[in-house]
Amino acid sequence: DAGITQSPRHKVTETGTPVTLRCHQTENHRYMYWYRQDPGHGLRLIHYSYGVKDTDKGEVSDGYSVSRSKTEDFLLTLESATSSQTSVYFCAISSGGAEKLFFGSGTQLSVL
Amino acid sequence: DQQVKQNSPSLSVQEGRISILNCDYTNSMFDYFLWYKKYPAEGPTFLISISSIKDKNEDGRFTVFLNKSAKHLSLHIVPSQPGDSAVYFCAASPYNFNKFYFGSGTKLNVKP
Repeated sequence: DAGITQSPRHKVTETGTPVTLRCHQTENHRYMYWYRQDPGHGLRLIHYSYGVKDTDKGEVSDGYSVSRSKTEDFLLTLESATSSQTSVYFCAISSGGAEKLFFGSGTQLSVL
Repeated sequence: DQQVKQNSPSLSVQEGRISILNCDYTNSMFDYFLWYKKYPAEGPTFLISISSIKDKNEDGRFTVFLNKSAKHLSLHIVPSQPGDSAVYFCAASPYNFNKFYFGSGTKLNVKP
């Protein structure tokens, strides 16, 4: 298994509170991604990173920000959580060059 | 608009028969395609990929076919086994762009 750890695995929070999800990799891969999985929508890209401090928006980036200060860590922040952000969040990594993605186990986030 | 579409939310197949999962895409810049399998409460795992220079790629019981003119790909599983029951996602990326777009998934049920 690729060395990807997502934390926390589960989180329940209230509307309007800030939330940060963490993705940690031990593979030294250049690319890191945050996806959300929702019924009927599959996996949608939120943000991705192509290097330390290099990030770009995905399909559903509104309401989310990311940071990557080290190769191994990619943080996803919901500045003010809303109920529409209740979802399962997956981190993924890739070495690039048309190589496949490896996914973490996911974070179940519930915003009440 | 979703750039990668899986129009069949579910598929039921008898054990030992062929499963055919379909995927369509709209972006002509896509030239690298992947299939992922996902069990409940786990992250997606890579199954098979194909680049646009090929029209077929085989790996054991799994074969992916690519029809570039129709912007269509399909995954064939022969013979299907109960352990193949999972949600299958197709994904696409422009080559060397490393930005992967996923479909909404097809839930495969293989009946013993």
